[in-house]
Amino acid sequence: NAGVTQTPKFQVLKTGQSMTLQCAQDMNHNSMYWYRQDPGMGLRLIYYSASEGTTDKGEVPNGYNVSRLNKREFSLRLESAAPSQTSVYFCASSEGDRVYGYTFGSGTRLTVV
Amino acid sequence: KQEVTQIPAALSVPEGENLVLNCSFTDSAIYNLQWFRQDPGKGLTSLLLIQSSQREQTSGRLNASLDKSSGRSTLYIAASQPGDSATYLCASGTYKYIFGTGTRLKVLA
Repeated sequence: NAGVTQTPKFQVLKTGQSMTLQCAQDMNHNSMYWYRQDPGMGLRLIYYSASEGTTDKGEVPNGYNVSRLNKREFSLRLESAAPSQTSVYFCASSEGDRVYGYTFGSGTRLTVV
Repeated sequence: KQEVTQIPAALSVPEGENLVLNCSFTDSAIYNLQWFRQDPGKGLTSLLLIQSSQREQTSGRLNASLDKSSGRSTLYIAASQPGDSATYLCASGTYKYIFGTGTRLKVLA
């Protein structure tokens, strides 16, 4: 049982380039989330999808877009990468109700030069 | 807006000590509170999940308590080991979690 799978694990981009971070879960969870983690800042929510077909902004959505492709997959796109987007990105999923908590992927370490 | 605070930010203890990590939150209207462990350069591993109707959860040497009325949770680690060295994060909320900035624990052999 793979849980939450993120690809790629590492990526280096030049300023202005675009890329998509992929996330897939095999737990039949309804809700999925994208967080970024920066030193001293903790994890901050970028976007989330409470259920298939819906997406909402989190705390730090500027510069990002998301797509909930189906129930399993939730992608995060950087249209024009900036050095300020250098971070570790985590995808998570949850059952969607109040009981089961979050399961996290292993993260994508992104550097924008 | 929910705010989650963890104290202390860093902690260094000798092996074998019992220790307590603290987590406080401002909005008591939470569904769950979840404790995670993060090793350097790794993802988050769930340790304990406390539902809003519960007061505590236990797993092995770990015990987490929840007091919604005071907006506090504690993670108790018994008989600490060098392998417990990691960053411990708490998170709470309703349908989306807000995270604390973590407590970086170092257990000295």
